[in-house]
Amino acid sequence: QSALTQSRSVSGSPGQSVTISCTGTSSDIGRYNYVSWYQHHPGKAPKLLIYDVNKRPSGVPGRFSGSKSGNTASLTISGLQADDEADYYCCSHVPASSVLFGGGTKLSVL
Amino acid sequence: QVQLQESGPGQVKPSETLSLTCTVSGGSISTYYWSWIRQPPGKGLEWLGYIYSSGSTNYSPSLESRVTISVDTSKNQFSLILRSVTTADTAVYYCARDSGAAAGIAFDIWGQGTTVTVSS
Repeated sequence: QSALTQSRSVSGSPGQSVTISCTGTSSDIGRYNYVSWYQHHPGKAPKLLIYDVNKRPSGVPGRFSGSKSGNTASLTISGLQADDEADYYCCSHVPASSVLFGGGTKLSVL
Repeated sequence: QVQLQESGPGQVKPSETLSLTCTVSGGSISTYYWSWIRQPPGKGLEWLGYIYSSGSTNYSPSLESRVTISVDTSKNQFSLILRSVTTADTAVYYCARDSGAAAGIAFDIWGQGTTVTVSS
């Protein structure tokens, strides 16, 4: 199994919106509505931002939203803040009860 | 609130066995999937495998010949064994709780991670 495909980096200015995409196949993202997104600041534990494609755990601001179209899932961050600068990973449930992460996208807030 | 803490040796020699334990505090280990996830230096997250509280397991296809995950419900702990390690197994290892109805749905609680270096 290959990792889900994410762009290596994305950037935006404070207050702007950015979208991070995650491309899989018809066997993972395209088949299941089990896409999750994680924010990872270096040296800290990853944090769950989105699960089931577009659901937010309690405590996660509404600035973070998720969606899916076909084999591609997306995470949109609106109203960018300096603290949003981090690595972002998508994740999908895959057949045979397995799990696949994306390669990660580094978000820079300019 | 539920917290996870990884423990184990920080250094392992090539060809030997890596062994880590994750202690669950503030809640029961029952009724969830519990996973091990790692991040090699400069690389992304990699899922290694999970154990359900009943004891059923599933492993990453790329590692299943070398990985074993077990659970000790009496101690509220689950453990990772990775055999025949190489320098490619050097990574930060995280344990995580998956709160979903199936594996890989929502890793909602993570340990802080422990660095394991494979070196002679």
